[in-house]
Parts: sequence; C-alpha cells; structure tokens
Amino acid sequence: DTAVSQTPKYLVTQMGNDKSIKCEQNLGHDTMYWYKQDSKKFLKIMFSYNNKELIINETVPNRFSPKSPDKAHLNLHINSLELGDSAVYFCASSQDHSNTGELFFGEGSRLTVL
Amino acid sequence: SQQGEEDPQALSIQEGENATMNCSYKTSINNLQWYRQNSGRGLVHLILIRSNEREKHSGRLRVTLDTSKKSSSLLITASRAADTASYFCAESGGSNYKLTFGKGTLLTVNP
Repeated sequence: DTAVSQTPKYLVTQMGNDKSIKCEQNLGHDTMYWYKQDSKKFLKIMFSYNNKELIINETVPNRFSPKSPDKAHLNLHINSLELGDSAVYFCASSQDHSNTGELFFGEGSRLTVL
Repeated sequence: SQQGEEDPQALSIQEGENATMNCSYKTSINNLQWYRQNSGRGLVHLILIRSNEREKHSGRLRVTLDTSKKSSSLLITASRAADTASYFCAESGGSNYKLTFGKGTLLTVNP
C-alpha cells in the first residue's frame, strides 16, 4: 500500500490554464505539506496543514490555493499557470507538527507549463 | 529563512569506497535529518539526529552533528551502486514543524 500518493504523476499544460494536484496519505498522520522542487533540485516548502488547518503558508503567489477536505487529503489548485510554475511538486506528511519526526513523501507530480 | 548547504554538490566514487557528504546550516535546530532521493522519485528519510546528539549510526550510515560549527556530515560506508542518488540534509527548527532542505549532493557510485 502506498503511504503518500499523489496524482497525476505528470502534467503538461499551457500557460494560463488552471490545474489541480491531489494527495492522499493512509498513515493516519495529522500534518501534510506541499513542497516545490525546481530544476536545480532545490526543495522549498509551500504550505502545511495540521488536521485540516493551515499552519504554514510561505511566500507563495495567491494563484496557488491548497485545500484539505480532511486530514488524509491535501490538494493543490493552481490558477493562471505561468512558465515559472514548471517544477516537481511533492506532497508529504508527518505524524504531527511538533518537530520530532520524519516526513513521508509522495513520488512527486511533474508539472510542465508550455 | 535558514537553508542547509551540502558539500560537495556532486561526488563520484567506486563501489566499496566510503562517501562523505557535509551540510552546514544557519540557525538553531531541534534536529537535523538526512534524506535520499533516487532519480525521478520522492525523498526517503534516512536518519534523524537531535540537537543534543553528536553521532548516530544506522546500518552503513553514520551521521555526526557539530552544533558549535552548525554542521553535519553523512558517511556511507562500503558504498554500492544502488546508493547512487541525491542526498539532502534538512534542518528542523521553530515552533511549527517546517523542514528546510539544503541543495543536495548528487552521489554516483560506479560499479
């Protein structure tokens, strides 16, 4: 069973379109994250939710809107896609948000904006 | 925000050799973690070392932490071709659990 699964794995779209990436974890964790990895492999946190509540919101354009319908799911919707949004987006989860444990990552969703 | 820096950026060794990667960070930490990322895959947690620990072992992995120098090192002994991957350190600090990742070291182990 996949612990953290995200879909789609690949996404190719035109500039200006709107797209969503979905993430689900079956680990019973309270906290979920979205990270963005650029072409140089630099990994930067975007958002974090703890039990459906937003707890981390880094400096991310408001074209990016996360949604957590329940603590096992965290989706990412991106409006008006731009070339610079091309990256690999990783979902991750942790037991809680108390600085004590590891993150479990999904396999990533590679977004290419043309 | 703090950001770890791995050194070297890339490392190429022969199977059986040891590989050492270093990480420096900028602020106080609760713990420091190392992750591996195979090409095209997600990150996998390897080992966590707390700020009050100096050394930790897990199988062929040895991690050290020097809080006075704000640095950590990851040693992989007796490397295998399957160890070929990018290795990232990640620092954990602050009130909310936010892991800040370094830029990674690309390790290539040649058979």
